[in-house]
Amino acid sequence: GEDVEQSLFLSVREGDSSVINCTYTDSSSTYLYWYKQEPGAGLQLLTYIFSNMDMKQDQRLTVLLNKKDKHLSLRIADTQTGDSAIYFCAESMSGGYQKVTFGIGTKLQVIP
Amino acid sequence: DTGVSQDPRHKITKRGQNVTFRCDPISEHNRLYWYRQTLGQGPEFLTYFQNEAQLEKSRLLSDRFSAERPKGSFSTLEIQRTEQGDSAMYLCASSFKTGASYEQYFGPGTRLTVT
Repeated sequence: GEDVEQSLFLSVREGDSSVINCTYTDSSSTYLYWYKQEPGAGLQLLTYIFSNMDMKQDQRLTVLLNKKDKHLSLRIADTQTGDSAIYFCAESMSGGYQKVTFGIGTKLQVIP
Repeated sequence: DTGVSQDPRHKITKRGQNVTFRCDPISEHNRLYWYRQTLGQGPEFLTYFQNEAQLEKSRLLSDRFSAERPKGSFSTLEIQRTEQGDSAMYLCASSFKTGASYEQYFGPGTRLTVT
């Protein structure tokens, strides 16, 4: 079955890098996502990576995928207080054309 | 385009009452999804539509839940005989194709509280 696991909480100092980790179980997952949810706001897609890629970089965000270990990570460089939010790891077999399966979310706290 | 909108944003109801939520997707999106998010959890898939056809329903969607998208535009989610366990944020998303991916855009959600 599909299962996405991630740690619940991460605290970092402003200016440091944040690394949020995730593991998934479905080897047929073809798309892996990171979503951001701020209090009172909807889910915002930050970035996604295809399963045939190892890494994707987008400005301050770096996504690393280890398909063998089914491990996904999101690195945020130069973390700012505005990055404080809940970050969800998610996977889909069909690029979001069908359902997306989400993890429980990692709450990132950025300390000024 | 103002994005995916949901109405109402908040709903408080007594146990046993029926409630209906509405979702308006981004206009050119042909796929529409409903998710449920309980406190401290990630969103869980409920159902999705392509145009007016409901293509998949999760086992989470009990007989008390029904979703429609009659003209392939807006969608409604109705919960009959609400229970306290139905208290959650109900999220709607819509998608279109960008390259090989169908990015899902989420609305702000409807928070349901069953007392």
